[in-house]
Formats: sequence, structure tokens, C-alpha cells
Amino acid sequence: EPEVTQTPSHQVTQMGQEVILRCVPISNHLYFYWYRQILGQKVEFLVSFYNNEISEKSEIFDDQFSVERPDGSNFTLKIRSTKLEDSAMYFCASTKSGQNNEKLFFGSGTQLSVL
Amino acid sequence: AQTVTQSQPEMSVQEAETVTLSCTYDTSESDYYLFWYKQPPSRQMILVIRQEAYKQQNATENRFSVNFQKAAKSFSLKISDSQLGDAAMYFCAYRRDYVDSGNTPLVFGKGTRLSVIA
Repeated sequence: EPEVTQTPSHQVTQMGQEVILRCVPISNHLYFYWYRQILGQKVEFLVSFYNNEISEKSEIFDDQFSVERPDGSNFTLKIRSTKLEDSAMYFCASTKSGQNNEKLFFGSGTQLSVL
Repeated sequence: AQTVTQSQPEMSVQEAETVTLSCTYDTSESDYYLFWYKQPPSRQMILVIRQEAYKQQNATENRFSVNFQKAAKSFSLKISDSQLGDAAMYFCAYRRDYVDSGNTPLVFGKGTRLSVIA
């Protein structure tokens, strides 16, 4: 089965630093998502992206966050100035269509630790 | 806002036995979808089963089945003939269905960690 690939699997950064989390969605998929999971808490939606623009974003996704599809294959999440509370597992996901019953294909996640 | 509640942080089951994981949700919508995702130690989220709210028949996928009670807003997952490979974190998730808004977010519960005892 095709896979969503995320790199790196672990990222450690200092508070205030910028980080970019990278994802390679499945090649014929058109809708892209970022979710995050703080340790011991539920998985939370951050943002969805289609046709080179944000479709929907949560209140977590403030001005410190941005997403980009720079080259037609990668889908990145940037956190401009990381805070301690940004420490979490970040999951990228993709779907082929925008059908709400469609299966999301998730990556294995990037564990971000902010020190 | 929609919420999803999984009241069992941890469950265990003997190999070959049956286990049921609970999930309740709160919504004012009439059209929506419900999902169970499995997260093994590899951390990847894998879809186990999905249910359309407009369907009365409970979804089944091999050893996995759901008990969907729309009026009670309950969506439990039953795993029959449990196997060691079923050990994982299981997340219940909800997705609203707006005609003009595909691509709506999944709302997850906090998860239930299932252990399978040999």
C-alpha cells in the first residue's frame, strides 16, 4: 500500500527557533493535512490544504504556523518561533479526494521536542 | 463543537477472546462519519473501520465490527478472536459531512490502549 512519508522522525530544537517538518504525501493525492498529538492527549487537527491554499485551520494554527507545498511533492509545516507547548507528535495525512468518508493516509509522525 | 469521548484509557484481552472498546460523541449534526483508527508502536495511524451515520447497518471488516447507536451517540468497536498484532492504541474519530465543504477535519477521542495477553 502507498505510504505518506515524514521526516525527520525526531526533531529537537531550542525554544524560539524555527522548525520545518516535512511530509511527502501519496503521489496522486490532492488533499493534505497536519494533525498533532501532545503526549497523553488526543490527536488534534491543525490545518487542511488543497489546491495550494489552506482549506480549513483550527484555532491552534495561529500566525506562528504556516504550510507550504513548495515543489509539487513535499508538504511542509513551519513553526516560526517554537514554544515549549509545541512539543508534540506531528502527523501529516493525505487523501485523494475531499469526500468526508474517505480514508486518511497518515505518516508515522515527527516527534518534536522543544527545550 | 463536536467532541469524542473514549472512557477506557486502557483495556486488555486474552488472545482469541473478544473485546469491546467504547466511544461516545456529541454533535448536533445529522450527517457525519465515524471511524476507528489503530496506532501500533510504529506510530502510524491506520484506518480500522468506518461508519456512515445515515446507514443503520453496522459496519464490519473481518474480525472488527461496530455497534453504532445513533440515538445514543455511541460507536463501540468489537474485536473478535483477538490477536497479538491487535495490541495498539485505538482512536475513535468523528467527521462532519457538509455538502459544500469536503475535506472536513477529523475530531479524535483520547484513545484506548489495548493489550493482548498471550
